[in-house]
Amino acid sequence: KAGVTQTPRYLIKTRGQQVTLSCSPISGHRSVSWYQQTPGQGLQFLFEYFSETQRNKGNFPGRFSGRQFSNSRSEMNVSTLELGDSALYLCASSLDGGVNEQFFGPGTRLTVL
Amino acid sequence: QKEVEQNSGPLSVPEGAIASLNCTYSDRGSQSFFWYRQYSGKSPELIMFIYSNGDKEDGRFTAQLNKASQYVSLLIRDSQPSDSATYLCAVRAGRRALTFGSGTRLQVQP
Repeated sequence: KAGVTQTPRYLIKTRGQQVTLSCSPISGHRSVSWYQQTPGQGLQFLFEYFSETQRNKGNFPGRFSGRQFSNSRSEMNVSTLELGDSALYLCASSLDGGVNEQFFGPGTRLTVL
Repeated sequence: QKEVEQNSGPLSVPEGAIASLNCTYSDRGSQSFFWYRQYSGKSPELIMFIYSNGDKEDGRFTAQLNKASQYVSLLIRDSQPSDSATYLCAVRAGRRALTFGSGTRLQVQP
């Protein structure tokens, strides 16, 4: 069974631009979560989608948004990029959230110049 | 107070020894507990999960959960240099978001 895939794997943008990251969950998984990981802040939760609905949301500004499609694939968008948005963005999927295990994709490394 | 607390380390153990990693959590409603291993530059990899009080063993790994004391631990027996990584504890209550600790860096000395 294929794992979680994320595209692109690496991205370089400049301040003020916007970016869209994509995540395809494990087949059959309906919950997708997004995290930001930086050396100083560790793993920070962005949001979780389940059946195309946002179920949980972390403490990030409105510049960070996401959505989930009917096939469970998810995208996250960051508008008006700032230098501090440089991070590893991780997507994780699980069957339906809750007690089920969550599996991570390889991540997208975003660098904002 | 952080919701999930871990000692940042580094925890240094000699090859072949038992590494003991600990995690405490604040939400008494937490129901599911996970341990992830993360190598530098890589994404977290799930290595253990536990839902009930007591011990759960999988190969060289044992997860221990004590809900009354609100702690969960991970024991790694016969530690190998390849076990050197950051270990992340994660906790979930119901359908709330999974909450991660900041991780403990483990160094296994050959």
